[in-house]
Amino acid sequence: GAGVSQSPRYKVAKRGQDVALRCDPISGHVSLFWYQQALGQGPEFLTYFQNEAQLDKSGLPSDRFFAERPEGSVSTLKIQRTQQEDSAVYLCASSSLGGQYSNQPQHFGDGTRLSIL
Amino acid sequence: GDSVTQMEGPVTLSEEAFLTINCTYTATGYPSLFWYVQYPGEGLQLLLKATKADDKGSNKGFEATYRKETTSFHLEKGSVQVSDSAVYFCALRVSGGSNYKLTFGKGTLLTVNP
Repeated sequence: GAGVSQSPRYKVAKRGQDVALRCDPISGHVSLFWYQQALGQGPEFLTYFQNEAQLDKSGLPSDRFFAERPEGSVSTLKIQRTQQEDSAVYLCASSSLGGQYSNQPQHFGDGTRLSIL
Repeated sequence: GDSVTQMEGPVTLSEEAFLTINCTYTATGYPSLFWYVQYPGEGLQLLLKATKADDKGSNKGFEATYRKETTSFHLEKGSVQVSDSAVYFCALRVSGGSNYKLTFGKGTLLTVNP
């Protein structure tokens, strides 16, 4: 497709369940980012991949959060033993070049809205 | 650390009114500055950017000037339309180090009434 695709668009889970969120970046894009957007807030950085390498995971809130991009294209963000404070919109973004080109634009998907009951 | 402060919303205007959304920043390095827009139910779209001091970014009638002396990047539009109703985010990204991270403000909700 032409843009970043995320699935599912909406996810409802019970507290304690595991969830997996998928991101299909723009074809050929080297860099992939995950952000968390709480209600009424701006997005906050979670993690960054350059191809299949996870170069920065400093924004992941706890060890319950895990992200992977095994073949350097599709990425999955997994949250184990979900808690109510995990409720947020999870945004994925990709950019064409490696992250050292700081003026390269990041293209965002529509996000996955996660609600934990 | 890096941070972005935007004016509190919501902002409600009539069609054809003048828009200003204030944005100031604090950065540990030399930042590039961005405005993103988020329409209801959609992801973020890059609206405009500026990469060095005194640059003016512009797109779709919106513009913002990178002011290093006041650490500001205010968004302006001379005549808003109903279709401009959305949430606007100011963001920065610094060069060097973790230069891939975007740091966002909290967003400003704009509603334009006909």
